[in-house]
Amino acid sequence: KAGVTQTPRYLIKTRGQQVTLSCSPISGHRSVSWYQQTPGQGLQFLFEYFSETQRNKGNFPGRFSGRQFSNSRSEMNVSTLELGDSALYLCASSLTGDLMNTEAFFGQGTRLTVV
Amino acid sequence: KQEVTQIPAALSVPEGENLVLNCSFTDSAIYNLQWFRQDPGKGLTSLLLIQSSQREQTSGRLNASLDKSSGRSTLYIAASQPGDSATYLCAVSYAGKSTFGDGTTLTVKP
Repeated sequence: KAGVTQTPRYLIKTRGQQVTLSCSPISGHRSVSWYQQTPGQGLQFLFEYFSETQRNKGNFPGRFSGRQFSNSRSEMNVSTLELGDSALYLCASSLTGDLMNTEAFFGQGTRLTVV
Repeated sequence: KQEVTQIPAALSVPEGENLVLNCSFTDSAIYNLQWFRQDPGKGLTSLLLIQSSQREQTSGRLNASLDKSSGRSTLYIAASQPGDSATYLCAVSYAGKSTFGDGTTLTVKP
């Protein structure tokens, strides 16, 4: 059974550009959550998608957006990149989302560097 | 607002020692608590999931306990090995959101 796949693994972008990251969940999982991990802020929740709908959202500016497709694959987009957006972006998939009995499985992450 | 604290931030032990990692949370209204392991530059690997109605979970040399009323969880690692060296994070989940601690970085010396 394949795990959670994130692409690309590494990315270097210039300030002001926009970037799209991709996450393919474990087969059969319908929930995908996105997290930003930085040395200063730790792991912070961005948003969660379930059945193509954004179900939960963290406290990030509108420059951070996402979507989920009918096959449960999800993309995250960051527009007008800032230096502070440099981070490891992780996605996690679970059967039904962060509710009572679900376990989250994480991908290897995408390391984004903004220069 | 839920806050999760992990103490200590770093821990170094000799191989073979038993150890305990601590996790505390401020809001006891949680659905579950999960312990993860993260190797440098990598994603998170789920170790144990404890549902809010449970008191503990065990997997191999790992045992996690949960005391929801006091807002505490512990991860017990028996007979530590150098391969256990990693950062251990705990996360609590409620209503679709997870809040993570900053982790404890464990080094097991041969």
